[in-house]
Amino acid sequence: AQSVAQPEDQVNVAEGNPLTVKCTYSVSGNPYLFWYVQYPNRGLQFLLKYITGDNLVKGSYGFEAEFNKSQTSFHLKKPSALVSDSALYFCAVSPKNYGQNFVFGPGTRLSVLP
Amino acid sequence: NAGVTQTPKFQVLKTGQSMTLQCAQDMNHNSMYWYRQDPGMGLRLIYYSASEGTTDKGEVPNGYNVSRLNKREFSLRLESAAPSQTSVYFCASSEQGAYPDTQYFGPGTRLTVL
Repeated sequence: AQSVAQPEDQVNVAEGNPLTVKCTYSVSGNPYLFWYVQYPNRGLQFLLKYITGDNLVKGSYGFEAEFNKSQTSFHLKKPSALVSDSALYFCAVSPKNYGQNFVFGPGTRLSVLP
Repeated sequence: NAGVTQTPKFQVLKTGQSMTLQCAQDMNHNSMYWYRQDPGMGLRLIYYSASEGTTDKGEVPNGYNVSRLNKREFSLRLESAAPSQTSVYFCASSEQGAYPDTQYFGPGTRLTVL
C-alpha cells in the first residue's frame, strides 16, 4: 500500500535561517511527488513536483526539494525562511499507474519566528 | 478566471440532515476530486471523477455520494449526516494527462454535524 510520512508535526525556525520539512514515502514503482502549502482558512496551493529527471526540483516562493530514491525521501527546503512562510505543508505521492490520485501525508506545521 | 469555487463556505447540520456541497472549476479540467481534511490525518480522498460521466470511490466513500453534473461541476452529497462527518471538505481539479498532474484546490467548506 502507498503511504507518505512527515515525521515532524511541527518545525520551528528563525527568520533568515534555512528550513527543511521532511517527507518519506512508500510506494511500488516510480513515484510522482508533490509539495503543497496551506495557509490558514485557505485551500492547498501547489509548490513543486518531481516527475522525472533532475533530482533537485525548484518551485514557487524560493522553495526546492530533493528526490532521493535510495532513502525514499523528498524533503522540502528553503535557504532563508520568511515569517510569511509559516503555514501547513503537505507532501503527496502519486504512484505510477495509480491514475491521477494522490496519497497525502499528515502535514507539518512550519512556524518561522521573527 | 476563478479557478475552483466551492459553496457553501460554512455549514452546520443536525444528525440525520442531508446537504449537497457544490464545486465548479473554470479551467477546462477533465478530472475532479473531493477530499476531507481532519487534524493530523492530511487529506483523504472521498470520491473522484477522472472524466465527465465517470465517478469512482476513493479512500473514504462511506456516507457520501457524488454527481459529475457536467465537465465544470462536481457535487458531493451527504444523505444522512453524522457527527463523524464533521470536517473540512475540499474540491480539486486537474488535467488528465499521461502522468499525475498538479491538482488545484478550492477554498474549502467547513462542515459541523451536531
